[in-house]
Amino acid sequence: GAVVSQHPSRVICKSGTSVKIECRSLDFQATTMFWYRQFPKKSLMLMATSNEGSKATYEQGVEKDKFLINHASLTLSTLTVTSAHPEDSSFYICSARTSAIPNNEQFFGPGTRLTVL
Amino acid sequence: AQKVTQAQTEISVVEKEDVTLDCVYETRDTTYYLFWYKQPPSGELVFLIRRNSFDEQNEISGRYSWNFQKSTSSFNFTITASQVVDSAVYFCALSEAGAAGNKLTFGGGTRVLVKP
Repeated sequence: GAVVSQHPSRVICKSGTSVKIECRSLDFQATTMFWYRQFPKKSLMLMATSNEGSKATYEQGVEKDKFLINHASLTLSTLTVTSAHPEDSSFYICSARTSAIPNNEQFFGPGTRLTVL
Repeated sequence: AQKVTQAQTEISVVEKEDVTLDCVYETRDTTYYLFWYKQPPSGELVFLIRRNSFDEQNEISGRYSWNFQKSTSSFNFTITASQVVDSAVYFCALSEAGAAGNKLTFGGGTRVLVKP
């Protein structure tokens, strides 16, 4: 149980285009979803926290107009990188948690590797 | 504010050697959770263990063991008799019970390279 999927797993796009990444909780309802970014050989940095039906809370330094997050249902959150540039190339990982499982545990998706040319 | 420090950026061992990964954390909360994750080259995070702040018992799971010491704010991880498949980046993480949204803060990670 507690499986989280991400789509696509890998995407290459041209500079200036927008890219949408989907995060789905497959067998549970995710009250909260998180988006992380990981640069090569670096740690995971939290970008934003989203609760179903409400606006995402962004971490300091993360541009909310550049990284649009939508959490329209209890099983789906999307991250859209708008007008992507090469410096946005990174590994994006989502996670989800449910209030039904205590202990603050988050279940992670497999990640999406974004390359902007 | 919560903070996690993994002082070792990279450790290289020969197969069958033991390796210990250090993790030191900072938090003002009395209730918090500590985690260890493994990230193999594929990139997917693999959950290894969760420990809450009220449970200081050490734990052993196969070749893995964890030493939680609140007195020194440490949650160290040991791999016994390492194998090549243990080569990965290992992250220690902290979540405060009172933190808005129950955010996870990750340490910088320790890259473990096990040579045959």
